[in-house]
Amino acid sequence: DAGITQSPRHKVTETGTPVTLRCHQTENHRYMYWYRQDPGHGLRLIHYSYGVKDTDKGEVSDGYSVSRSKTEDFLLTLESATSSQTSVYFCAIGGQNTDTQYFGPGTRLTVL
Amino acid sequence: EDQVTQSPEALRLQEGESSSLNCSYTVSGLRGLFWYRQDPGKGPEFLFTLYSAGEEKEKERLKATLTKKESFLHITAPKPEDSATYLCAVPRRGAGGTSYGKLTFGQGTILTVHP
Repeated sequence: DAGITQSPRHKVTETGTPVTLRCHQTENHRYMYWYRQDPGHGLRLIHYSYGVKDTDKGEVSDGYSVSRSKTEDFLLTLESATSSQTSVYFCAIGGQNTDTQYFGPGTRLTVL
Repeated sequence: EDQVTQSPEALRLQEGESSSLNCSYTVSGLRGLFWYRQDPGKGPEFLFTLYSAGEEKEKERLKATLTKKESFLHITAPKPEDSATYLCAVPRRGAGGTSYGKLTFGQGTILTVHP
């Protein structure tokens, strides 16, 4: 297994509260990604990072921000959680010379 | 816009009944096609990468093939443990040809193999 961990694995929160999800890798990969997976929508890219402090938006970035202060950690923050952000969130890492991505175990987030 | 379409949405097989899953794509300058397997409650697990038409790759009972417009995942004599959702994805082409590894995923095919 690629060395990717996500924390927390499950979280229930209330509308309007801030939430931070963490992705940690031990593979020293340059690229890291945050996806959300919802029934009927499949996997959709939220944000990605192509290096420390280098991040950019994906296709569903509204309401989310990210930070990457070191190679191994990529944080996803919901500044003010909404019920529409209830989803399963996956982190993925990618190699230098390949587009192949390896996924973490996921975080199930419920916003009440 | 890059599009990836998988069919069927769901497939039920009896153990030992071979079949194929389809992934069709519309993308200019294909730079690879990826197959993943996803078990319930888990993250997608990488299976194969195919780069050029005519290429084939195998892993146990699975064989992936690629043409200029689609890819097939052939499952030979499946077992119940092959039950999962199978996803395909293609790299996006960004500005200047750099994709930064961003992928466009299909909706997936839910495979159920009954004993």
